[in-house]
Amino acid sequence: EVVLTQSPGTLSLSPGERATLSCRASQSVSSTYLGWYQQKPGQAPRLLIYGASSRATGIPDRFSGSGSGTDFTLTISRLEPEDFAVYYCQQYGVSYTFGQGTKLEIK
Amino acid sequence: EVQLLESGGDLVQPGGSLRLSCAASGFTFSTYIMNWVRQAPGKGLEWISVISGSGDNRYYADSVKGRFTISRDNSKNTLYLQMESLRVEDTAVYYCAKWLGRTWQNPSDYWGQGTLVTVSS
Repeated sequence: EVVLTQSPGTLSLSPGERATLSCRASQSVSSTYLGWYQQKPGQAPRLLIYGASSRATGIPDRFSGSGSGTDFTLTISRLEPEDFAVYYCQQYGVSYTFGQGTKLEIK
Repeated sequence: EVQLLESGGDLVQPGGSLRLSCAASGFTFSTYIMNWVRQAPGKGLEWISVISGSGDNRYYADSVKGRFTISRDNSKNTLYLQMESLRVEDTAVYYCAKWLGRTWQNPSDYWGQGTLVTVSS
């Protein structure tokens, strides 16, 4: 099983700042098979990024993804109030597993 | 507009059974792989099962293999999850979700609102 470890567990930032979220895999994952989701309280997850760097439909360009091999990053260039949420990475190359999530909270 | 609407969640005793449904609309249901993902209270996401568009191929997470069965009725645009031998640790919100593409290696681009299953005596 591919284990995904996200860091940090909680990230405290202010609107307007840049957020960098990490996702590390226990074994190499093709960048084609790495995605990121956003989840707000009481809501379903929303796909943000797939293929490590492609934005899903309707996702603002302040969200970007990068990485390869075992290390992947989600960057939010300039935080908006609505961006404070929990973020999950997922690999879908070898079965399907999620990271444990990073909570992005307002500082 | 793609819509997924789950139903069937309930309070059930350990060892009991439950069937969840997910009604789909706004896309050609039979041509998309579909899956179930669950989220225990206050916890992260756990993928549990996936089914091909035709229904011929199905895969399960080890945590539910042998107890849960995924199926679909393409004539009714509905996805199902039959859950047997339920355990306390199966307590979660269950989401159905549509695959982004038509191959096995894809993320989920549309999700339902979820249905809560509580397993407790």
